Amino acid sequence: ETGVTQSPTHLIKTRGQQVTLRCSSQSGHNTVSWYQQALGQGPQFIFQYYREEENGRGNFPPRFSGLQFPNYSSELNVNALELDDSALYLCASSLNVGYHYGYTFGSGTRLTVV
Amino acid sequence: DAKTTQPPSMDCAEGRAANLPCNHSTISGNEYVYWYRQIHSQGPQYIIHGLKNNETNEMASLIITEDRKSSTLILPHATLRDTAVYYCIVREDGQNFVFGPGTRLSVLP
Repeated sequence: ETGVTQSPTHLIKTRGQQVTLRCSSQSGHNTVSWYQQALGQGPQFIFQYYREEENGRGNFPPRFSGLQFPNYSSELNVNALELDDSALYLCASSLNVGYHYGYTFGSGTRLTVV
Repeated sequence: DAKTTQPPSMDCAEGRAANLPCNHSTISGNEYVYWYRQIHSQGPQYIIHGLKNNETNEMASLIITEDRKSSTLILPHATLRDTAVYYCIVREDGQNFVFGPGTRLSVLP
């Protein structure tokens, strides 16, 4: 059984550009959440997708958007990149939105905006 | 905002038990207590969770006070590989996880 995989592992972008990060959820998991983790801080919730629909959103502007596909993989898109978007972006999947055993996290994508 | 309070850092000698405290005085009846840890440059890793009763698995034990306002994560025989940031989170089914700054545990040789 594979875990959560994210790609790419590292990325450097220029301010103002757009970026797409990808996540393959653990087999059988239909719920995917995205988190942003700035250096030295805990992860911050961006949004969650359940069966291809957004199912909750944190305090992030609309230039952060996402998709979930029929196979439950997911993308995080960030437009008009700002320097403060530099962070580790984590994807987490869960067997179901209400599954109380929690989430399985990927190793993240390290985004650097210059 | 996170509903938990943890000490920012702790040290533990290798081979000894590591006891990590967490305060969650405003926890509601439907909220579980979860513990995750994050080793440098990796994603958070699930350790254990519980509602009311104490729990034990192959990684750790979770002791929840009777009033549920605090809990302790116990790593019975800490190793150098247990050096990580440990997050205590309270969460109701269906809600997202809200992470605080956690406790940075350093296991010393």
